[in-house]
Amino acid sequence: DSGVTQTPKHLITATGQRVTLRCSPRSGDLSVYWYQQSLDQGLQFLIQYYNGEERAKGNILERFSAQQFPDLHSELNLSSLELGDSALYFCASSGAGETQYFGPGTRLLVL
Amino acid sequence: AQKITQTQPGMFVQEKEAVTLDCTYDTSDQSYGLFWYKQPSSGEMIFLIYQGSYDEQNATEGRYSLNFQKARKSANLVISASQLGDSAMYFCAMRERKDYKLSFGAGTTVTVRA
Repeated sequence: DSGVTQTPKHLITATGQRVTLRCSPRSGDLSVYWYQQSLDQGLQFLIQYYNGEERAKGNILERFSAQQFPDLHSELNLSSLELGDSALYFCASSGAGETQYFGPGTRLLVL
Repeated sequence: AQKITQTQPGMFVQEKEAVTLDCTYDTSDQSYGLFWYKQPSSGEMIFLIYQGSYDEQNATEGRYSLNFQKARKSANLVISASQLGDSAMYFCAMRERKDYKLSFGAGTTVTVRA
């Protein structure tokens, strides 16, 4: 158990819908990262927050947005969903060290 | 350009034997970190081992060791005394100092045979 929690574990929704994925980092970690894992793109970095502020952005679509709240939990919002958004979405957290610890992931299926 | 290359899509290993997973990386940074993660069929990503670019000793964590050859830009993972529970996908990743994100390779699937 990495100490990072993600909810929900599974999500099935329809095209055009909007969903919210939630992540709680390890106790004391200020950084939260979001990654997407799909069969065709592999593991891709989406976005990072540090202590409530956006710090780095990767290949995140404009339809996707994220935020980190004062209690350090983070949410990833995916809107106008398309079939191609079906993927495993990971949240990871890190503290002062280099290592990012991953949550169990949210498996999203868009039908 | 691909930053992390894992050339072995799949490998079979006999239980109790050692297996080496290849990873080469590309960076112009002098300061970077290299990581290996394990992803079992259940899907979670489990951190295994870390090597910093300035670390002179190869990293070891239990049955995992990282064979770091800086001049060749390679960071191979060695799993000793393989167990059935080692069957999983293994990812090599790099974080460059100027960056915050991890860049991942395509992964290598390891299947341990009894």
